[in-house]
Amino acid sequence: NAGVTQTPKFRVLKTGQSMTLLCAQDMNHEYMYWYRQDPGMGLRLIHYSVGEGTTAKGEVPDGYNVSRLKKQNFLLGLESAAPSQTSVYFCASSYRDRDGNQPQHFGDGTRLSIL
Amino acid sequence: AQSVTQPDIHITVSEGASLELRCNYSYGATPYLFWYVQSPGQGLQLLLKYFSGDTLVQGIKGFEAEFKRSQSSFNLRKPSVHWSDAAEYFCAVEGVTGGGNKLTFGTGTQLKVEL
Repeated sequence: NAGVTQTPKFRVLKTGQSMTLLCAQDMNHEYMYWYRQDPGMGLRLIHYSVGEGTTAKGEVPDGYNVSRLKKQNFLLGLESAAPSQTSVYFCASSYRDRDGNQPQHFGDGTRLSIL
Repeated sequence: AQSVTQPDIHITVSEGASLELRCNYSYGATPYLFWYVQSPGQGLQLLLKYFSGDTLVQGIKGFEAEFKRSQSSFNLRKPSVHWSDAAEYFCAVEGVTGGGNKLTFGTGTQLKVEL
């Protein structure tokens, strides 16, 4: 059971380039999330999804787009990368259990540098 | 809006000593609270969670946390620290948003363990 898998693990981009980060989960979780982690700031929510075909903005959505075409995948896109987007990106997924509680499971992260 | 404060950026303890990491939260309703641990280059692993009921919560790796509503705190404790506990620890509070849970993280506490 792989859990939450993020690809790639590392990437270096030039300013203005575009790329897509892939998150895949094999736990049949309904909800998925993208966070960025920056020194001294903890994790901040970029976008999230409560089901296939649905997405919503989080705390810091500007400069990012997302898609959830399949339940198991959640894609994060940077259309025109900027140095301010240099960060470590984490994907997470969660479910609703009998009590309505939803612990989030995290991937190992993607380290992205924008030059 | 919900928020989490972890007042200690760095903490150093000796192996075998007791540990307490502080967490204060702000949330308008009864909170769902979490502690996560992050080892270098890894994703976040859930240590424990509080949803309701007993205010003393037991987690993995010998950790526990106590929810104190009057102090808006959810401090993490361990009676005897092991060198392998060196990592960064994040406290988080959950706010339900349209079905998925939206986590707000503190800025983290880096734990160093001296042998």
